[in-house]
Amino acid sequence: AQTVTQSQPEMSVQEAETVTLSCTYDTSENNYYLFWYKQPPSRQMILVIRQEAYKQQNATENRFSVNFQKAAKSFSLKISDSQLGDTAMYFCAFMKHENRIQGAQKLVFGQGTRLTINP
Amino acid sequence: AAGVIQSPRHLIKEKRETATLKCYPIPRHDTVYWYQQGPGQDPQFLISFYEKMQSDKGSIPDRFSAQQFSDYHSELNMSSLELGDSALYFCASMGTDSGRTQYFGPGTRLLVL
Repeated sequence: AQTVTQSQPEMSVQEAETVTLSCTYDTSENNYYLFWYKQPPSRQMILVIRQEAYKQQNATENRFSVNFQKAAKSFSLKISDSQLGDTAMYFCAFMKHENRIQGAQKLVFGQGTRLTINP
Repeated sequence: AAGVIQSPRHLIKEKRETATLKCYPIPRHDTVYWYQQGPGQDPQFLISFYEKMQSDKGSIPDRFSAQQFSDYHSELNMSSLELGDSALYFCASMGTDSGRTQYFGPGTRLLVL
């Protein structure tokens, strides 16, 4: 079974600073996807960024980028020029690649990191 | 762009009552997932459907059942509700055009008294 670990329960930075959230995972699979979801106080789950394991290039979405280290099974999220609206719970999630027998795969989430951006 | 729709958004029930949660996936998405998120917890997978067939099953109590209909919407039926069922229930959908990414609805907040 896959597990996802986020070792930082809470983080706090000043607006405009850069912050990195850590995530490690355990799997014997070779083909999979990794995600960061954001859950603001509204509790909506919002996709931040995704990474396909077979792609060596790190994914980037505007101010959000990841550092994907497949051998180390590490998937950290870097937020540059942080904004007040980035305040949220951030979940790292793992999904196996689907196959014909097992079909679409579920997301396995980490415990979350509560990020606060201070003015 | 159209998003996942869930109804109702809020639900209050008494113990031992039943509840039905509905999910309308993004158009052309053929896979639906249900997750349960307790207070201060990460979302836990309950069940999924692909092309109207059950695809995978997680930690879903026997008191719960779900199905996906011909129009791809899904319903989660919960019977003999317990206090511990109070949680946020998410539906997510995924399709071949979504880059193998699950998109979440706003959730249904269930409170069992």
